[in-house]
Order: sequence, then structure tokens, then C-alpha cells
Amino acid sequence: GAVVSQHPSRVICKSGTSVKIECRSLDFQATTMFWYRQFPKQSLMLMATSNEGSKATYEQGVEKDKFLINHASLTLSTLTVTSAHPEDSSFYICSARDRGGTVVSPLHFGNGTRLTVT
Amino acid sequence: AQKVTQAQTEISVVEKEDVTLDCVYETRDTTYYLFWYKQPPSGELVFLIRRNSFDEQNEISGRYSWNFQKSTSSFNFTITASQVVDSAVYFCALSEASRSGTASKLTFGTGTRLQVTL
Repeated sequence: GAVVSQHPSRVICKSGTSVKIECRSLDFQATTMFWYRQFPKQSLMLMATSNEGSKATYEQGVEKDKFLINHASLTLSTLTVTSAHPEDSSFYICSARDRGGTVVSPLHFGNGTRLTVT
Repeated sequence: AQKVTQAQTEISVVEKEDVTLDCVYETRDTTYYLFWYKQPPSGELVFLIRRNSFDEQNEISGRYSWNFQKSTSSFNFTITASQVVDSAVYFCALSEASRSGTASKLTFGTGTRLQVTL
């Protein structure tokens, strides 16, 4: 089945530093990837839609200068949390839909990245 | 705007009991898609089922079954003869059909944490 690899799975960083999270589709191409954020015991909130070769589309209230998204190829999207602060600590999870699928093909999710900012 | 409500925050059952997870949704679109995902303690999201708004047939897959009722805007999920391995957070999600044909984002409910004990 379709596999989405997300790296790292866990990261601890100091306040003020930047952290990059990678999301790779291993056996399919993804024109579009989605980045979600999940607070403990809460739902997944869509942060942004990452489009290969173009700018990401951010949801209302998400700072695009803080959460930099780059979708440089059909198999890789990255999320960089810039100047991280403790309130950015969360579980970040990416998802992708097979380029060959339809708009309602199931999204395939990565295993998530737990970010802790100290 | 779309909304997904999972009123049950946590459910605890004893193994072999049947359990139903409720999902109620709101959307203005006549064409939409409903999903259930499972999130085990490891964090990844596992796709369980997709149902489109035109297909109200109930579905059974092994111990899992889904009841889609458009009249009540509900898409409930039943696990028969629950097992410890079913312990996870279950998310119901909604996607509206994109007119442009591009990938549509998912709106998630807040999830129901299911604990199955021996």
C-alpha cells in the first residue's frame, strides 16, 4: 500500500531555533500534501496545503512566515518551524494523496512528528 | 462551513463487547465524502473507510460496520466483538467535493478514544 514517511518522529529543540520536518511519499507521487497539527487529546487541525512547484495555501490563523512549507518535488514536502517557542510544541502530521488517484482517494498519513520546544 | 462532531470523548468496554462510535456532520454541499480513521498509540492515522454522499448502503468489513444515515447526517461506526488491539482514537472526517478537481482537505472530528480491556 501507499506509504508516507515522516522524519523525524520526535524532536526536542531549544526555544528560538528552527526545526525542519520532512514528509516523503515512498511509492507514489503526490501533487498535494497536507500538514496537520494535533494538540494532546484533540483533533487534527489543517495548517496548510502544500502544492508541488507552487506556494502553499495556509489556513486562517496560521502564520506562513513561521511555518515554512516547501514542496520541491512530487515525493517530498517539508515543514520548517522557524524560531520555535514552547507553544509550538505539538504533534505535526502530514498526509498525501496519490497523484494518480481521484480527489476523494484516501489520504495516506505519515507517522507524525512530536515536537517539544524547551 | 463543514463540521464534524464526535460527541463521545472516551469509551471503555470489555473485550468481546460491541461498541458504536457516533459521528454527526454538517455540510452545505450535496456531494461530499465521509471517512473514518484509526489512530493507535503509535500516532499514525490508518484509513478505515470512505463513503460518498450518494451511497447510503451500510458496509461491513469483518468486525467493522458503518451506518450512514443522510436523514440524520450521521455516519456511525460499530466494532463487533471488540478486541484489545482495537484500543485507539478513532476520527471521523468529512471532505467536500472540489469543483476544480483538485485534492480536497479533510475536516476532522475531535475523535473518540476507545479503550478495550480484558
